[in-house]
Amino acid sequence: NAGVTQTPKFRVLKTGQSMTLLCAQDMNHEYMYWYRQDPGMGLRLIHYSVGEGTTAKGEVPDGYNVSRLKKQNFLLGLESAAPSQTSVYFCASSYYYTGNTEAFFGQGTRLTVV
Amino acid sequence: DAKTTQPNSMESNEEEPVHLPCNHSTISGTDYIHWYRQLPSQGPEYVIHGLTSNVNNRMASLAIAEDRKSSTLILHRATLRDAAVYYCILRDSYSGGGADGLTFGKGTHLIIQP
Repeated sequence: NAGVTQTPKFRVLKTGQSMTLLCAQDMNHEYMYWYRQDPGMGLRLIHYSVGEGTTAKGEVPDGYNVSRLKKQNFLLGLESAAPSQTSVYFCASSYYYTGNTEAFFGQGTRLTVV
Repeated sequence: DAKTTQPNSMESNEEEPVHLPCNHSTISGTDYIHWYRQLPSQGPEYVIHGLTSNVNNRMASLAIAEDRKSSTLILHRATLRDAAVYYCILRDSYSGGGADGLTFGKGTHLIIQP
């Protein structure tokens, strides 16, 4: 049981380039999330999804797009990368969204934009 | 989600118990208290959660004050592997339609001395 898997684990982009981060979960979870974590900070929510075909904006959505075409996958896209998007990105999933449910996180993608 | 307050850092010795405090004076009656931890260079992992009664699992214990305005995560016998940032997070048990994930603060950086 792999849990939540993120690819790639590391990436260096030039300013203006585009890329897609993939998050895959094998737990049949409905809810999936993308966070970013900057040095010395807690995680901040970028976008989330409450089920296949749905997406919604989180706290810091600007500069990112997402898609959830399949229940098990949640993609995060950067159309034109900027140095301010240098960060560690974490994906998470949970079976449900309420307080009595735990979330599972991936190992992160370390992105540097130069 | 209601706000939590944690010390920035704590230090403990290996093989001794650790008590990590969290204040949440504005907690509502339907908020669950969650704890996650983040080991160096890893994604957050679930530790424990509870509503009103104290909770135990294989990783830790959660002691909740009678008025629920504070709680304490207890690691019974700390090891070097427990060195991490510990996050105390409140989650509403009835989310009226939102599914906006977990709100992370800066957490408590736990240092374990050998």
